[in-house]
Amino acid sequence: AQRVTQPEKLLSVFKGAPVELKCNYSYSGSPELFWYVQYSRQRLQLLLRHISRESIKGFTADLNKGETSFHLKKPFAQEEDSAMYYCALKASALIFGKGTTLSVSS
Amino acid sequence: ETGVTQTPRHLVMGMTNKKSLKCEQHLGHNAMYWYKQSAKKPLELMFVYSLEERVENNSVPSRFSPECPNSSHLFLHLHTLQPEDSALYLCASSQGFLDTGELFFGEGSRLTVL
Repeated sequence: AQRVTQPEKLLSVFKGAPVELKCNYSYSGSPELFWYVQYSRQRLQLLLRHISRESIKGFTADLNKGETSFHLKKPFAQEEDSAMYYCALKASALIFGKGTTLSVSS
Repeated sequence: ETGVTQTPRHLVMGMTNKKSLKCEQHLGHNAMYWYKQSAKKPLELMFVYSLEERVENNSVPSRFSPECPNSSHLFLHLHTLQPEDSALYLCASSQGFLDTGELFFGEGSRLTVL
């Protein structure tokens, strides 16, 4: 089965604290994974993809095939990181998780 | 206007009404998608069109009927909906179907079925 699981509905952290948004996937093929973000009153948009191995806005995500995970990390959270984050798997189509709301407070 | 535009942004309809959602993309993309976003559920892919041909139909009830007259426009025709169909309907486009995995989303049409 093709599935993306984001176990946390809400993650609340203080400004400057490390952040890890969890994502696990189920897929029999070679996975391609993505993180999408939706800021308040903005549309859903791509944040980063694992193939690019890039850091965007201080966020990174490493694909761990052994643990079938693609967790999103940032060492020091900022208030402007507050948003809804979706993990997505490219399978027969782009399959999304339920999303995690990140709330960063000062 | 650039990007992906959806109209109307909000729609309230009765169960016996017929209405349509419209999506237009100005990005020169060849693939367009309809997703349904309900509370407490993941984004659900409904339909995919690539070069104006339907390539994916995820067991969506026939009360939802898509139409893609050209690569820039996508419609979702709604007929005899149920209250559980109330949701945010998102349109997206991509350069090609399943190429880079980057979808460009519209702001969504919030549908309420009474």
